[in-house]
Formats: sequence, structure tokens, C-alpha cells
Amino acid sequence: QVQLVESGGGVVQPGRSLRLSCAASGFTFNNYGMHWVRQVPGKGLEWVAIIWYDGSKKYYADSVKGRFTISRDNSNNRLYLELISLRAEDTAVYYCAKDGSSGYDFGMHVWGQGTTVTVSS
Amino acid sequence: DIQMTQSPSSLSASVGERVTITCRASQGISNYLAWYQQKPGKRPKLLIYAASTLQSGVPPRFSASGSGTDFTLTVSSLQPEDVATYYCQAYISAPLTFGQGTRLEIK
Repeated sequence: QVQLVESGGGVVQPGRSLRLSCAASGFTFNNYGMHWVRQVPGKGLEWVAIIWYDGSKKYYADSVKGRFTISRDNSNNRLYLELISLRAEDTAVYYCAKDGSSGYDFGMHVWGQGTTVTVSS
Repeated sequence: DIQMTQSPSSLSASVGERVTITCRASQGISNYLAWYQQKPGKRPKLLIYAASTLQSGVPPRFSASGSGTDFTLTVSSLQPEDVATYYCQAYISAPLTFGQGTRLEIK
């Protein structure tokens, strides 16, 4: 079955970096756009970034542009999010999600269980 | 950037009641709209995409409509398992944006 499993979250000090990973299985990974979405506990969903099926296009939320980098390894069915210069307001559960298209044309059809990032000194 | 505004922010209804949630976009988004359900402590789940297409496996009591700037999600007969927060999301262009969510409870 289609599955997304995030990892790499944890507690990190402000200004430090972290890399999140999402392992995909059960579908042809290199056919689909992939997203990162985050959610502060008790708050709403915030879209973070999208990467095209082949990595050719990437887009970011203004709140993370220049600090976060989305990437993918299609040979190993993995999605990544590199977070640098972390701030307290980046504390959230981070979800990876599979789009229904090669880009972002059909919504987020499958979601992972999330990994928690806590930025605190 | 496109802003998405949902109403109401919270809603309480009885089992079997018909419930409607609305979502308004700050500019026209054609039918590039999705609806998600997030139950407490769980990951979001896609209910509807392309404004009105029911995702496979979603009960037919869920339906949605709209185009342009105004959209609705309807639950025809509310069930206890429908307690959740519902989000609309526009995906016509980046940055993609979610509505603030509508919390649905049983009265």
C-alpha cells in the first residue's frame, strides 16, 4: 500500500539546522510531486514546499524561503527537507505528502504520520 | 498570494443533520480546490479534489461544489466519526494556501 514515513525530527537550538526525510513506498515515486506541510500543535495546516516529480521545479512558502530546501532522491524513493537557521516559530509537526500529479495539480492524496521539530534553547 | 477564508470556524450539529462548510478564495482559482479532514491526533486525509471530485474510499455523504471564488463542503447526514477539523486548500499556484479550518463537533 502507499506509505510515507517521515523521520529526522527532534529538539534543536535556535539557529541550528536539521534535515527531515520521508521514505516513500507502494507507488512510483518518480511520477509524483511531493510536498512538505507543517502544523503547529493545536493550529492549522501550513504548506511549506513542493518539488516536481523530477526535481525540476521547487516552490516555497514565504515564511521559509531562503532557509528551507526541498530535495528528492528518486533512485531511493526519498524526499528531504533541509532546515537551516531554525527559529522558535518553526516548531511544528512536519508532514510529507504525495500530490495526485507530477506537480501540484490534484491536491495532497497521501500523507505521512508526521515528524515533530521543536526549536528551543 | 491567494487567501482562503473558511466559515464557520466551528460548528456543532446533531447526528443525521446536514452540515455545510464554506470556503472563499481572495481571487478566482477555477476548480483548483481540495478539502481535507483531520481527526484529532491524526494526519490529514484528502476528501475532495478538483473542487467536487470525491477521493476514492470517502463516504458518499460527503460532497462539494463551487468554482471561481466560492466553494462548499457538505455532509448530508452527520455521523459521529465525522468529528474533525476540515480544511480547504487552493492549489492553482504557489504558494499553496489552506483555509484556517472548521472544527466540526457533535451536539
